[in-house]
Amino acid sequence: GESVGLHLPTLSVQEGDNSIINCAYSNSASDYFIWYKQESGKGPQFIIDIRSNMDKRQGQRVTVLLNKTVKHLSLQIAATQPGDSAVYFCAENMAQGAQKLVFGQGTRLTINP
Amino acid sequence: DARVTQTPRDKVTEMGQEVTMRCQPILGHNTVFWYRQTMMQGLELLAYFRNRAPLDDSGMPKDRFSAEMPDATLATLKIQPSEPRDSAVYFCASALWGRGYTFGSGTRLTVV
Repeated sequence: GESVGLHLPTLSVQEGDNSIINCAYSNSASDYFIWYKQESGKGPQFIIDIRSNMDKRQGQRVTVLLNKTVKHLSLQIAATQPGDSAVYFCAENMAQGAQKLVFGQGTRLTINP
Repeated sequence: DARVTQTPRDKVTEMGQEVTMRCQPILGHNTVFWYRQTMMQGLELLAYFRNRAPLDDSGMPKDRFSAEMPDATLATLKIQPSEPRDSAVYFCASALWGRGYTFGSGTRLTVV
């Protein structure tokens, strides 16, 4: 099926450090992107989104960067906490009226104490 | 907080049996999605509806899967007959005009 690729399947960082999760998306026409967090046994949880007319958006401890030139998306988490340990997915919303949210394979983030 | 409700939470069934999964989207959301999650394929979009009308079900095996929205408060995903390869976690999500995608907790299906 359709997919959005991720550079790294796993990432380990020390508690308190910053983490960066990367994502390469496939469709240059996609106009909306979302990062989700999924904890074991739960559904994906919305973290932050960004539209294609922006290149950066900040939330609480999280920042999403969008580089349309190279079709790259990243999620930065500042001052990581044990509760940040989860699988993180990027998703792109296919444009042209399709409104289809297509997910990448996910990156497992582990926060070491 | 508004939430998407899925039932059942877990389902174990024998191969060949019919399985029906249900989803109650967030009130007011006009778009409903069905996803399937496996270790091998990740999150795959199976089908989605806008204002109860099916817009795209190209990700769904047509011979055994069917998705419907009998009304604005209920979406169903049916598998008949079920096969072991259908074992996965099935998620429903709802959104309003392409924003605010919210996922349910999923139905874990095991076909033996």
